[in-house]
Amino acid sequence: GAVVSQHPSWVICKSGTSVKIECRSLDFQATTMFWYRQFPKQSLMLMATSNEGSKATYEQGVEKDKFLINHASLTLSTLTVTSAHPEDSSFYICSAYNRNAIGYTFGSGTRLTVV
Amino acid sequence: GESVGLHLPTLSVQEGDNSIINCAYSNSASDYFIWYKQESGKGPQFIIDIRSNMDKRQGQRVTVLLNKTVKHLSLQIAATQPGDSAVYFCAETGSGGSNYKLTFGKGTLLTVNP
Repeated sequence: GAVVSQHPSWVICKSGTSVKIECRSLDFQATTMFWYRQFPKQSLMLMATSNEGSKATYEQGVEKDKFLINHASLTLSTLTVTSAHPEDSSFYICSAYNRNAIGYTFGSGTRLTVV
Repeated sequence: GESVGLHLPTLSVQEGDNSIINCAYSNSASDYFIWYKQESGKGPQFIIDIRSNMDKRQGQRVTVLLNKTVKHLSLQIAATQPGDSAVYFCAETGSGGSNYKLTFGKGTLLTVNP
C-alpha cells in the first residue's frame, strides 16, 4: 500500500534555532502535500497545502515566514520551523495526496520540543 | 461522549460491546468523508470512507453511516477489542476545490475495558 515516510519522528531543539521535517511518498507521486499541527488532546489543524513546484497556501493565522514549506518534487515536501520557540512545540504531521485512487496517506508524525 | 471545549469527548466500553462514535460536520458542500484512528504518538490511520451519494458503508467490523440532512456521521465498531482503544477522528472534504483540503473533527477518545 501507499506509504509516507516522515522524519525525524522526534526532535528537541534550542529556542531560536530552525528545524526541518521531511515527508516522502515512497511508492507513489503526491500531487499535493498537506501539513498539520496537533496539540495534546486536540484535533489536527491544517497549516498549509502545497502543490509540487508552486508556493504553499497557508491557512489563516499560520505565519508563512515561520513555517517554510518546500515541495520540490512529487515525492518530497519539507517543513522548516524557523526561529523555533517553546510555543512551537507540537506534533507535526504530513499527508500526501494522490487523486488517482490512493487518496490521503499520512506520515507517522514528528514530535517537536523546543527548549 | 460530551463535547466540552478543548477536551476530547470520551467513550468507554467493555470488550465485546459495540461502539458508536458520532461526528457532526458543518460544511454542506462536503461530499467525501473519512474516519481515522490515531494511536498515541502516531499519525492517523485510515479506517473507512464514504461519499455523499451513499448513506451507509460497511467494512470489516466497522460501519459508517452518513445523514446529510442533519450533517451527521457515525462510526460503528462491532465487538470492540482492547486494540481499538485510540482517538477516532472524522474528516471531510468537498469536491470542486483544487486543494482537496481535509478538515478534521474534534475527535473522540475510545477506551475499551477488558
